[in-house]
Formats: sequence, C-alpha cells, structure tokens
Amino acid sequence: DSGVTQTPKHLITATGQRVTLRCSPRSGDLSVYWYQQSLDQGLQFLIQYYNGEERAKGNILERFSAQQFPDLHSELNLSSLELGDSALYFCASSHSGTGASEQFFGPGTRLTVL
Amino acid sequence: GENVEQHPSTLSVQEGDSAVIKCTYSDSASNYFPWYKQELGKRPQLIIDIRSNVGEKKDQRIAVTLNKTAKHFSLHITETQPEDSAVYFCAARRIGGGSNYKLTFGKGTLLTVNP
Repeated sequence: DSGVTQTPKHLITATGQRVTLRCSPRSGDLSVYWYQQSLDQGLQFLIQYYNGEERAKGNILERFSAQQFPDLHSELNLSSLELGDSALYFCASSHSGTGASEQFFGPGTRLTVL
Repeated sequence: GENVEQHPSTLSVQEGDSAVIKCTYSDSASNYFPWYKQELGKRPQLIIDIRSNVGEKKDQRIAVTLNKTAKHFSLHITETQPEDSAVYFCAARRIGGGSNYKLTFGKGTLLTVNP
C-alpha cells in the first residue's frame, strides 16, 4: 500500500457525461500528479499540482480539468466523455514539487465509457 | 518536449538469466531517470532511479546504467525470477530549476520470466 488513495475504483458511464475522480496523497506529500494509462498510449502525464497550485501540464485535453484543495486532496474532472477516454487513471504523490523525490502511485480508477 | 523510446516492447527469458531493457531520451536537460515496475492490475512502483551525476547504480539484482552523451539508459536484472514478470517503464524528467517538471514515460516492456 503506497498511502495514496483513489476513489472510485471503477467507474462506468456513457458518452457525453461528466465524472470526477478523487485522490488523496500520502501524508506530508505536497505534490499530486495525474496520469492516464491506456493500452495504445502507455502512461501519459496529465497534470501536476503542488501545494494547491498547478505546477506542470502534460497532454491534458481541454475537456479535462483538475484542482488541488487546501487539504491537498485533488480531483480530476472529465467532461463530454468519449469512448477513447476509457482508461486507467492514476494519481501519484510526492513530497517535492520539483521532481526530486519519488512519486508514489495510487491504485488507480478504471473508467469505462460506453 | 521530451520523448522517451523504450526497447524491447516484450522480453521473454528463462529463470536465472539476465534481462536488459534500454531507453533513449531526447531532452539533454533531463537529469532524473526512474524505472517503474507494474504487475498486472496493480499500480506502478519505483524500483530504482538514477540521476545524471552518476553513471551506474545497483540495488541487489537490479542495476541501471546511464550514458549522458548518448542519451540512453538501461535496466539490468540479473538472476531473474518468475516474480520479476511485469511491465517495466523507464522515464525521464528534469528536476531542480526549470519550468518543465513532467515525467515522460517510455511505452513499457512486458517481461516474462519462464520457470
């Protein structure tokens, strides 16, 4: 157990819908990262937050947004869902904001868009 | 941006043999190179990492080498065991000063260790 928690574990929804994925980092970690893992694209970095502020942005679609709250938990919002958004979404946390410390991954949320 | 190429995509070895996975990166400013192991249905877990100020790092049966000039790094697993079977991902990132902190992953290598 890495200490990073993600909810829900599984999510099944329809095209056009909106969902919210939640992540709680390890105690003491200030950075949260979101990744999308699909069979054809591998692990793709989406976005990083550090202590409530956006720190780095990757291949995140405009239909997706994220935020980190004062208690450091983070939410990833996916809207106007398409079939291709079906994937495993991982959250990771680290103490550092500069990448100098190890990233610990959560168990992931499997999103299925029908 | 950074681009990380990983080879091979699949690797099958006999128990006790060595396994080598290679990665190349494009951004010469990258200076942190972690390796993650992901077992089926589980989360990626860091198994070893190396920074650009060293050329080699070893942890029991696992070692990583880095050639900054050629911009490639490799994972070496010796005396492989069936429990080493998993997908291995290399990654590259800039740490410290600079604006781009994102971790770029290779596509992964499915390692199968046959008993």
